[in-house]
Amino acid sequence: SQQGEEDPQALSIQEGENATMNCSYKTSINNLQWYRQNSGRGLVHLILIRSNEREKHSGRLRVTLDTSKKSSSLLITASRAADTASYFCATVGGANNLFFGTGTRLTVIP
Amino acid sequence: KAGVTQTPRYLIKTRGQQVTLSCSPISGHRSVSWYQQTPGQGLQFLFEYFSETQRNKGNFPGRFSGRQFSNSRSEMNVSTLELGDSALYLCASSLFREYEQYFGPGTRLTVT
Repeated sequence: SQQGEEDPQALSIQEGENATMNCSYKTSINNLQWYRQNSGRGLVHLILIRSNEREKHSGRLRVTLDTSKKSSSLLITASRAADTASYFCATVGGANNLFFGTGTRLTVIP
Repeated sequence: KAGVTQTPRYLIKTRGQQVTLSCSPISGHRSVSWYQQTPGQGLQFLFEYFSETQRNKGNFPGRFSGRQFSNSRSEMNVSTLELGDSALYLCASSLFREYEQYFGPGTRLTVT
């Protein structure tokens, strides 16, 4: 399957702590994107990292990409209760097909 | 700029019926993609339209079809509904598919 896999499947942390979630994929990619989904709603794009980039920052988000290991990580620093959501990685390959991972359910406890 | 809109938001249909879902992309976006989301299978790609042409298709049966109009609005149709078609159907638009996708709120379809 070309679908990515997030790890862990679920994560529960206290407000103020950092949250790290990982994404592994199987095929070569053009870029990798991270999305957030609040319960039962549409996805919101967070960040896009290209295959020739290793790290990218956006506010409290930090994304790394290791194409040799076919993996990426998303770090959310100083988490807030509003960060509670499911987080998905999505890979874009040669045919520009976009495949979503299985998601990590993050719960931030106030 | 107005976001991606999807209609209807909720739908209840009976097995065997057919359904049409509508998606209006962000103005200027020519790529519209459709996804099915279920608890068991996660987010699965259905198809993508770009300038009225289907450019990519996921691994779904022929009961799932779609089209895109000249104003980039898109519809997807599911014929002969099955219980397993119950899902959240998400539409996303982008300038080009490999760019960031902007999602609509989804249509929650329940098949009874």
